[in-house]
Amino acid sequence: DVKVTQSSRYLVKRTGEKVFLECVQDMDHENMFWYRQDPGLGLRLIYFSYDVKMKEKGDIPEGYSVSREKKERFSLILESASTNQTSMYLCASSFTSGTIHEQYFGPGTRLTVT
Amino acid sequence: AQSVAQPEDQVNVAEGNPLTVKCTYSVSGNPYLFWYVQYPNRGLQFLLKYITGDNLVKGSYGFEAEFNKSQTSFHLKKPSALVSDSALYFCAVREALAGGYQKVTFGTGTKLQVIP
Repeated sequence: DVKVTQSSRYLVKRTGEKVFLECVQDMDHENMFWYRQDPGLGLRLIYFSYDVKMKEKGDIPEGYSVSREKKERFSLILESASTNQTSMYLCASSFTSGTIHEQYFGPGTRLTVT
Repeated sequence: AQSVAQPEDQVNVAEGNPLTVKCTYSVSGNPYLFWYVQYPNRGLQFLLKYITGDNLVKGSYGFEAEFNKSQTSFHLKKPSALVSDSALYFCAVREALAGGYQKVTFGTGTKLQVIP
């Protein structure tokens, strides 16, 4: 079974803090993604990566950065957390080659910025 | 730009009755379509996908979805609902384009409530 793990289930941070969200997958997937999930807005893509050290902006990259130094690990960084970044953050991964592949999601990190 | 719409925020159905969760999509080329389910306090789980071929796709937990190109729809169905099917369901679309990674766009989600 594919496993995608996220470093924290719940996180509370103060405004202005630097926040690191970590994601690890164990299936050698090329692609990794960070989404945020908000009620009524569904999932919105923040950043994705299709290879080590490669990254692409998604729909809402402002206020975020990412790092992918190893194939299995994809980190989301909030440089200076703000209250409007309070949300559920979901990490996902998928294969590239062959047929069209579905994404595998982690359990999510619920971040509260106060 | 590709998009997907889930017109119902919530669907209520009695246990044992058939259920339908609606999804319509918009792409300029051929679509790849997905359904995911999210149980409370959990990440999303893949249910099924349409790539090409048979318009009726079967997936996990007895769910199926019907691809209708003329109506640009991909509705999720199950013949007999279970209370354990109560969850948040997301439709997603990826456009079939040549070269590179194509973004998957998710709908806003439909909450399914199965009433005992």
